[in-house]
Amino acid sequence: GEDVEQSLFLSVREGDSSVINCTYTDSSSTYLYWYKQEPGAGLQLLTYIFSNMDMKQDQRLTVLLNKKDKHLSLRIADTQTGDSAIYFCAESISAGNNRKLIWGLGTSLAVNP
Amino acid sequence: EPEVTQTPSHQVTQMGQEVILRCVPISNHLYFYWYRQILGQKVEFLVSFYNNEISEKSEIFDDQFSVERPDGSNFTLKIRSTKLEDSAMYFCASSLSGGTGDYEQYFGPGTRLTVT
Repeated sequence: GEDVEQSLFLSVREGDSSVINCTYTDSSSTYLYWYKQEPGAGLQLLTYIFSNMDMKQDQRLTVLLNKKDKHLSLRIADTQTGDSAIYFCAESISAGNNRKLIWGLGTSLAVNP
Repeated sequence: EPEVTQTPSHQVTQMGQEVILRCVPISNHLYFYWYRQILGQKVEFLVSFYNNEISEKSEIFDDQFSVERPDGSNFTLKIRSTKLEDSAMYFCASSLSGGTGDYEQYFGPGTRLTVT
């Protein structure tokens, strides 16, 4: 069945780069997403990558996709304390005439001053 | 910037009671979704809705659950007879498109449902 796995915790120092990794199982995924959840808040769409791309850069965020290994990563450059949050990887798969997201458990990023 | 809103932010109910969770999707979006997240577990897909009917539902979405778009703006999730295991954060989402094209799903802040 469909599954998305992420490491649960990551701790970095302010100013360093953070790399959050994710693996997925469904090879029919067309879009892969990164969402951010701050304490007490909802799920904020951060960025996404289409499955025919290897890399996407958006300001401090870089998404790398290895479709062969079904591995996705999110790199945050110059990590700030405001980046402390839970980061969810999600794959978009077909659901009838629509799509649904299959989620990882989330990676809790702690940024230390 | 347009956003998805949900009410209430927190709902406490007794087991066996009916609850209705409300969502206002982004106004020009056509596809609507409910997900839930039980504490400590993954976010799970419940149901997707398009053109006034359910597109797909998960195994969780049994006869106790229903969705409705009663007017042009609201999208509701009803649980007829709540169980303790329905306690979770419920997220509503909407997207402009469904199967192809621009179908990023935008999420509301969630409703925390506590069943006692």
